[in-house]
Amino acid sequence: GENVEQHPSTLSVQEGDSAVIKCTYSDSASNYFPWYKQELGKRPQLIIDIRSNVGEKKDQRIAVTLNKTAKHFSLHITETQPEDSAVYFCAAGSAGGTSYGKLTFGQGTILTVHP
Amino acid sequence: GAVVSQHPSWVICKSGTSVKIECRSLDFQATTMFWYRQFPKQSLMLMATSNEGSKATYEQGVEKDKFLINHASLTLSTLTVTSAHPEDSSFYICSPASRTGAYNEQFFGPGTRLTVL
Repeated sequence: GENVEQHPSTLSVQEGDSAVIKCTYSDSASNYFPWYKQELGKRPQLIIDIRSNVGEKKDQRIAVTLNKTAKHFSLHITETQPEDSAVYFCAAGSAGGTSYGKLTFGQGTILTVHP
Repeated sequence: GAVVSQHPSWVICKSGTSVKIECRSLDFQATTMFWYRQFPKQSLMLMATSNEGSKATYEQGVEKDKFLINHASLTLSTLTVTSAHPEDSSFYICSPASRTGAYNEQFFGPGTRLTVL
């Protein structure tokens, strides 16, 4: 089955700095890579996702890059703000046609942005 | 986005009792339901996958006789934790998926926090 490794487990940055979280996956059949932000006691919220036919995707301060050959993908947050503080999870799974498959999650990264 | 509800949002029960968690997809037909659990300070782990009208498929290490899943309709799936024990205390989250491709992302329910005393 799929195995997703996520690093670092904790990340502390100053407001305005950039934050980078990296994940690797093992199953070359995975083609869907979402990133989730989870605040304490709440459900994961999708912040950005990328499919395997794309190498990079950007949405304002958030970007994700994917290297299919190396089987790794990264989340980049620029100009961090205190409200970005949360736990971030990467995941890998399949999304074929009109259906989505199960997701395998990374271990999570606790991001703290200091004012 | 999709509207997904879970009930109850939290529950405290005594060891040995059974607890039923409901997950409803309110605005689309969930042909597939994924059930995840998340222990404190850990990641989400898939427990089982169910397709409407079929028996659930359980991940390795998840006891099918302990975690009963029913997916009898396209809008409702239930997870019953039978003979709950303190080690079953966790955050249980459902995630419906649709073959119709109504949405371009996978959604999660708000979760149910189970505490077994």
